[in-house]
Amino acid sequence: GDSVTQMEGPVTLSEEAFLTINCTYTATGYPSLFWYVQYPGEGLQLLLKATKADDKGSNKGFEATYRKETTSFHLEKGSVQVSDSAVYFCALFKAAGNKLTFGGGTRVLVKP
Amino acid sequence: EAGVAQSPRYKIIEKRQSVAFWCNPISGHATLYWYQQILGQGPKLLIQFQNNGVVDDSQLPKDRFSAERLKGVDSTLKIQPAKLEDSAVYLCASGPLRVTDTQYFGPGTRLTVL
Repeated sequence: GDSVTQMEGPVTLSEEAFLTINCTYTATGYPSLFWYVQYPGEGLQLLLKATKADDKGSNKGFEATYRKETTSFHLEKGSVQVSDSAVYFCALFKAAGNKLTFGGGTRVLVKP
Repeated sequence: EAGVAQSPRYKIIEKRQSVAFWCNPISGHATLYWYQQILGQGPKLLIQFQNNGVVDDSQLPKDRFSAERLKGVDSTLKIQPAKLEDSAVYLCASGPLRVTDTQYFGPGTRLTVL
């Protein structure tokens, strides 16, 4: 079945550091790929998405490129802030079944 | 636009007791989802409704979990009887029918089973 694998956290960074969170997936067909973010005490929010190979999703300084050849969708941000401290989830969506499949999440802690 | 509302936000019960969670989706959203998020894991889909019909309940432990969406709007998820392993955050999400890959999540209900 479909699955998403993320790097385990926690990832601890200093403010203004570069952030990368690795995400790889296993799926048949052509899924859409997503990054969701969960801030403390809040629900999941869509951060960015890409619907086909080589698409780049971007939002709030975060970027991720859909790489079909490596089945990856790594999340990057050039300069993190304390407010970026959260749990980040990679997910894939298959239109057949209308189903989101999530990775295990990566906790990011940014220190001032 | 109001978001997805869930209540209660927290619930503590003893094993073998019953519990119910309520979700009010974003107005006009035809699709509603319930997820279970165990600590340290990603959300897992329990059940998906389209209007008031069930689309997918393949991951719902039907011997103890039940869900309904009367009139295609609000939904309730019930656990009876609860087990220790049901301790988790229960997330409700809704989405528009025409943009099927978009889901909006509520804040969740954190359940602790003692």
